[in-house]
Amino acid sequence: DQQVKQNSPSLSVQEGRISILNCDYTNSMFDYFLWYKKYPAEGPTFLISISSIKDKNEDGRFTVFLNKSAKHLSLHIVPSQPGDSAVYFCAAGNTGTASKLTFGTGTRLQVTL
Amino acid sequence: EAGVAQSPRYKIIEKRQSVAFWCNPISGHATLYWYQQILGQGPKLLIQFQNNGVVDDSQLPKDRFSAERLKGVDSTLKIQPAKLEDSAVYLCASSFEGPYNEQFFGPGTRLTVL
Repeated sequence: DQQVKQNSPSLSVQEGRISILNCDYTNSMFDYFLWYKKYPAEGPTFLISISSIKDKNEDGRFTVFLNKSAKHLSLHIVPSQPGDSAVYFCAAGNTGTASKLTFGTGTRLQVTL
Repeated sequence: EAGVAQSPRYKIIEKRQSVAFWCNPISGHATLYWYQQILGQGPKLLIQFQNNGVVDDSQLPKDRFSAERLKGVDSTLKIQPAKLEDSAVYLCASSFEGPYNEQFFGPGTRLTVL
């Protein structure tokens, strides 16, 4: 039972363009969401989060949008840079369940020159 | 601030052998997690500790996996005996207490079971 889904295993974007990574969830009890970035041979690194009381959160080049009715969130990276090439994981949690996170399967982003 | 430390970084064993992984969380983080990440999948929570008590171990294969967090600081995860399907990266993470759970991950231990 995959409660958090990232249906695109990979994405290739040109440097300077926008990268859009998508994530869908099925559990309506999730009330906060996080994006993690992972480089090879390293652990995931926290990137940005959003609470279900918001529909947008921005941090520099990174913006996360949440559509609760569609149970969908997306991460926008503008402009994309070669250093953004990594695997991005979407994760979801519920503030009432002891901080447990459920992760998606990840999307590998490649930013080309 | 020092990050989450894990050792070893790589381990190769034969099936039916035992193996142990060590994790030292960020100082002051009460919550510690062990995840299993199989190639091509997202991290899957195996066990979560709050201080030295277990909060969630519902996905831990208890017939072969065990974990402890003595004194509420560092932790060890053991597999005994290992199976081929245990080949994965084992990630340790820690976090502050709080409603929005930003977890800090260590570099992971890549286990290969032959």
